[in-house]
Amino acid sequence: ETGVTQTPRHLVMGMTNKKSLKCEQHLGHNAMYWYKQSAKKPLELMFVYSLEERVENNSVPSRFSPECPNSSHLFLHLHTLQPEDSALYLCASSPDRFSEAFFGQGTRLTVV
Amino acid sequence: SQQGEEDPQALSIQEGENATMNCSYKTSINNLQWYRQNSGRGLVHLILIRSNEREKHSGRLRVTLDTSKKSSSLLITASRAADTASYFCATATNQAGTALIFGKGTTLSVSS
Repeated sequence: ETGVTQTPRHLVMGMTNKKSLKCEQHLGHNAMYWYKQSAKKPLELMFVYSLEERVENNSVPSRFSPECPNSSHLFLHLHTLQPEDSALYLCASSPDRFSEAFFGQGTRLTVV
Repeated sequence: SQQGEEDPQALSIQEGENATMNCSYKTSINNLQWYRQNSGRGLVHLILIRSNEREKHSGRLRVTLDTSKKSSSLLITASRAADTASYFCATATNQAGTALIFGKGTTLSVSS
């Protein structure tokens, strides 16, 4: 248990659905991240939030929309996804961007 | 963009043997970190080595860093079946607004 909790653990959604992934940490960390892990590809950094402000968006398609309402919670809103978006979505947090990152268990997303 | 690249991609050894994984990166770093991931789960931090350090130990783990060659190695001594996992290096740079960038990982299989 790393102190970072992601829900749901598994999600199957159609291409026309809207769903949200949730991440929660009570470690007092100032930075939170979304990563995407596809088969046979390195972890891709999607979004970085520092002190609740988004500081990096790695050219992620607009069908992925992050939200960070406070320093403990991070959401990833999904809409009109494509089958190639099927992947493991990992949330992480850290005291700052140089420190050890604590990862959640991930949400396994399947788009049908 | 990918920063770290691990080598080999896959490694199979017997229990009791040592396992060595290498990581190369492209730009100057603040620190380099190694993580472990069991199948389909979140990543767990193993060790962090700063750019001004050359070697670090933690239990059966030994990490080296050569900033002139932009490379690092992770040595796991006296491996156990429970060490079977994927291992990733990640780099933290001083570039503003960035976060950890991960390589593709090395899949280690330890058989008893």
